Amino acid sequence: NAGVTQTPKFQVLKTGQSMTLQCAQDMNHEYMSWYRQDPGMGLRLIHYSVGAGITDQGEVPNGYNVSRSTTEDFPLRLLSAAPSQTSVYFCASSYSFGGSYEQYFGPGTRLTVT
Amino acid sequence: AQSVTQLGSHVSVSEGALVLLRCNYSSSVPPYLFWYVQYPNQGLQLLLKYTSAATLVKGINGFEAEFKKSETSFHLTKPSAHMSDAAEYFCAVGTGGGNKLTFGTGTQLKVEL
Repeated sequence: NAGVTQTPKFQVLKTGQSMTLQCAQDMNHEYMSWYRQDPGMGLRLIHYSVGAGITDQGEVPNGYNVSRSTTEDFPLRLLSAAPSQTSVYFCASSYSFGGSYEQYFGPGTRLTVT
Repeated sequence: AQSVTQLGSHVSVSEGALVLLRCNYSSSVPPYLFWYVQYPNQGLQLLLKYTSAATLVKGINGFEAEFKKSETSFHLTKPSAHMSDAAEYFCAVGTGGGNKLTFGTGTQLKVEL
């Protein structure tokens, strides 16, 4: 299994541009989520999905859009990039084990918005 | 609402010394608690988790954590630090069985010779 994969690894955008961060998992996990990591702030939940066709907002959803058409893929769209969206983005997938969930994280996408 | 406080953004220990990373949580429901480790330029890896089965939880790489409800704490310990333990450590509290995680701000562990 490749686990959770994310592309691209690095990206530089200009303010106002749009782009999609890709996330895929091959573990048949029903639950997937997106986090952003900023220095001194830990990771914050952007959006999550409990299954194909079902998504919901996390703590910091503004400026981001998601959809989940398949179990495997959970892309994150930046509609109009802003410098405040400069961050490292992590995708995670999880499954239920012994009554609780364990999240598996991808390697991250480092995004810079100028 | 859940929250996590990690005391000490940077902790430095000597190789072979005890590692103690502190985590206090706030949760309105019985919590699911997790410790993750992040090595430079990598994603997060699960170290251990508490799900109410036992208050002392053993994880990978010799780490363990003890859940203390009266102190709302879930501190991470390792008896003897190794150079390879140098990384950033995150405590997290989860709802929905751990599906939605709220992270602390992280503690950078430095191990010195």
